[in-house]
Amino acid sequence: EIVMTQSPATLSVSPGERATLSCRASQSVSNNLAWYQQKPGQAPRLLIYGASTRATGIPARFSGSGSGTEFTLTISSLQSEDFAVYYCQQYNNWPRTFGQGTKVEIK
Amino acid sequence: EVQLVESGGALVQPGGSLRLSCAASGFPFSSYSMNWVRQAPGKGLEWVSYISSDSSTIFYADSVKGRFTISRDNAKNSLYLQMNSLRDEDTAVFYCVRERYGSSSALDYWGQGTLVTVSS
Repeated sequence: EIVMTQSPATLSVSPGERATLSCRASQSVSNNLAWYQQKPGQAPRLLIYGASTRATGIPARFSGSGSGTEFTLTISSLQSEDFAVYYCQQYNNWPRTFGQGTKVEIK
Repeated sequence: EVQLVESGGALVQPGGSLRLSCAASGFPFSSYSMNWVRQAPGKGLEWVSYISSDSSTIFYADSVKGRFTISRDNAKNSLYLQMNSLRDEDTAVFYCVRERYGSSSALDYWGQGTLVTVSS
């Protein structure tokens, strides 16, 4: 099983600032990596797939990069609605696995 | 509009059984692979099971293999999860999730989830 490790566990950021979230895979997943956003009481929402392609309707302030084992989600200028938990997930191998999540909170 | 509506969640005793259903609408259900993903209270996401569009390929997480069975009825636009021998650690919100069109892809639409509580 591929283990996905996200860092940091919690990120404190002021509105308008840049946030950088990391995700590492225990072995290569090529670019078969997705990022999801989850707000309290809601289902997750797909943000990024293919490591760097924004899903439909996702604002341009969200960007993804990386390949192989190292990936990054960047939120260029945090808006109030972006404070949430973010998960990465690999879909290169079975079983599909998620990272443990990074909580982005207001500083 | 894509809609996925789960049902069937309930309080069940350890060792019991439950069948979850997911009603899909707003897209050609028979063309898409589907998944179940769960989330224990206050915890992260755990992928549970996958079924291809024609039911020819099925995968399970090791934690549920031999106890859970995924199935679908394309004529009824419905996805199911039969859960047997339930354990305390199966307590979670279960999400019905569509996989993006094409082979091996991300999860693009999620239902709102149904809560399964396993407790005596």
